[in-house]
Amino acid sequence: GNSVTQMEGPVTLSEEAFLTINCTYTATGYPSLFWYVQYPGEGLQLLLKATKADDKGSNKGFEATYRKETTSFHLEKGSVQVSDSAVYFCALFGLRYNFNKFYFGSGTKLNVKP
Amino acid sequence: EAGVTQFPSHSVIEKGQTVTLRCDPISGHDNLYWYRRVMGKEIKFLLHFVKESKQDESGMPNNRFLAERTGGTYSTLKVQPAELEDSGVYFCASSHRLAGIEETQYFGPGTRLLVL
Repeated sequence: GNSVTQMEGPVTLSEEAFLTINCTYTATGYPSLFWYVQYPGEGLQLLLKATKADDKGSNKGFEATYRKETTSFHLEKGSVQVSDSAVYFCALFGLRYNFNKFYFGSGTKLNVKP
Repeated sequence: EAGVTQFPSHSVIEKGQTVTLRCDPISGHDNLYWYRRVMGKEIKFLLHFVKESKQDESGMPNNRFLAERTGGTYSTLKVQPAELEDSGVYFCASSHRLAGIEETQYFGPGTRLLVL
């Protein structure tokens, strides 16, 4: 089956620290991979995505590389800010193989302290 | 362009009552999805509409849940009767899929449902 596993939170960092949130997946075929972010009181927003192996998605200083050999899509940021405090969801989405829906991880809450 | 909107933002009801959630997708989006996040766990797919037709409802938990999308515009998700385990955040998403092109789903802010 299809599933996503991401590291449990909460993750608490000081401002300007390096961030890694691990995400691994199990899927049939070659899905697209996503990171969504939910800021307090808001809905899910697309942060970045990668549609094939070795692609790197990036946005707002965040990066993630689609690693087929390790079935991973870890999220990284070199220097976090207080405004990055949110819940981050890793997800996979398949279109070509007839499972056109998202499979999400359980979310990782990030707290960044000044 | 207005995003996906959901109503209400919060709902607190007693076990056994009925609640109806509404989702207004982005105008022109044929695809509409419902998802649910229960008690801090993963966000799970409930169902998918293409216009007014149910494309996939494999994620619907049981027959207490009824989703409709009359006229292919807004959608409602009714829970009747509600149980304690139905508490969670219900997300709606919409997309405009072009043939052969990866779609991007746009999510609404969610409805937080608490069943007491």
